[in-house]
Amino acid sequence: TQLLEQSPQFLSIQEGENLTVYCNSSSVFSSLQWYRQEPGEGPVLLVTVVTGGEVKKLKRLTFQFGDARKDSSLHITAAQPGDTGLYLCAGAPRGGSQGNLIFGKGTKLSVKP
Amino acid sequence: KAGVTQTPRYLIKTRGQQVTLSCSPISGHRSVSWYQQTPGQGLQFLFEYFSETQRNKGNFPGRFSGRQFSNSRSEMNVSTLELGDSALYLCASTQTGSDYGYTFGSGTRLTVV
Repeated sequence: TQLLEQSPQFLSIQEGENLTVYCNSSSVFSSLQWYRQEPGEGPVLLVTVVTGGEVKKLKRLTFQFGDARKDSSLHITAAQPGDTGLYLCAGAPRGGSQGNLIFGKGTKLSVKP
Repeated sequence: KAGVTQTPRYLIKTRGQQVTLSCSPISGHRSVSWYQQTPGQGLQFLFEYFSETQRNKGNFPGRFSGRQFSNSRSEMNVSTLELGDSALYLCASTQTGSDYGYTFGSGTRLTVV
């Protein structure tokens, strides 16, 4: 069974601080996606990384895909209260069937003003 | 363009009953996937449909079933409801496949009493 271990599970920081969320697996994925979910809503796609070693930036968010395509990280610079939410990583199994994303259990981020 | 629409948003059912949830994907998206989200297990894949055919199925009992219509709209059905079926059920659609990310609906919150 493929698993994605996400850490930390909870993160409470002050506005302006930096943070990193990690997503690790022993399995190789063809792509790794990051989503953000707010209470009572569905996840919203932030980014998809496909190539090993790839780095993508989205304003203050930096996403990295490991060289071996087994792990990924999300770094937020100068966090703001609007960044509060549940961050989920999801992997598309390499060689697997379509539609089956493996999700990490999420990192619940709280940014206090 | 309109997003993924799920109905109803909230549902309360009694143990032993059955329930049908509906999902309308983004226009042009032919792949629809269903996920169950609970606090303990996170998001777990239920099944995926493409052009009215189930292409992939997760590890859920046969009480969980689904179908897709010619207009790509999808329904999922849960029969003989159990307390443990209480969850947020999320539908997601994609045009190109799981490697490039999904658009999720807001979900149906099912409570079984």
